[in-house]
Amino acid sequence: ETGVTQTPRHLVMGMTNKKSLKCEQHLGHNAMYWYKQSAKKPLELMFVYSLEERVENNSVPSRFSPECPNSSHLFLHLHTLQPEDSALYLCASSHGSGRGSEQFFGPGTRLTVL
Amino acid sequence: EDKVVQSPLSLVVHEGDTVTLNCSYEVTNFRSLLWYKQEKKAPTFLFMLTSSGIEKKSGRLSSILDKKELFSILNITATQTGDSAVYLCAVLVSQGNLIFGKGTKLSVKP
Repeated sequence: ETGVTQTPRHLVMGMTNKKSLKCEQHLGHNAMYWYKQSAKKPLELMFVYSLEERVENNSVPSRFSPECPNSSHLFLHLHTLQPEDSALYLCASSHGSGRGSEQFFGPGTRLTVL
Repeated sequence: EDKVVQSPLSLVVHEGDTVTLNCSYEVTNFRSLLWYKQEKKAPTFLFMLTSSGIEKKSGRLSSILDKKELFSILNITATQTGDSAVYLCAVLVSQGNLIFGKGTKLSVKP
């Protein structure tokens, strides 16, 4: 499999649930990103991992917890989310310690919080 | 605060028309500007622009960057219904992250 993959593609969860989103890249990149895309708002960068180390955290609430066990995998752990967290969550990867000129995106996970 | 502004926010044209999408930016530590096309899924990369005044072309799409006036345009000629999408402009800054605009929603009618 090539490119950037994300699972699940769709997720519905209650506010008290705990779930995780998974991202995997098969491009040999060493930087990975989580973005949130809400309706009628620009893409928002949430987290950046470079060489498995978090280098960017853009004021994201603690109910979102990222994990990068290796350069090919990135997780976003979710707990006690709010309905306003419903959005498309996109994973991306790039070449070179988070400063690559082009980011390749996964298909996204459509999250609905009830 | 870094920002990227796209205009118009939405646009409706007919097949065969030519459209121009605009992107202006105010950022510190500019590195490059990127255009993406987003349909009902994740964005797909179109162009990356780093130097001023050099047009990049791919089929019916072309783009150019003006680093003095801090803007870029994306042109689509002879539009087709398959061009209907949200076109995103993003600026890469030295810290390594992309700052996205809100996008222009293009609808091409048959």
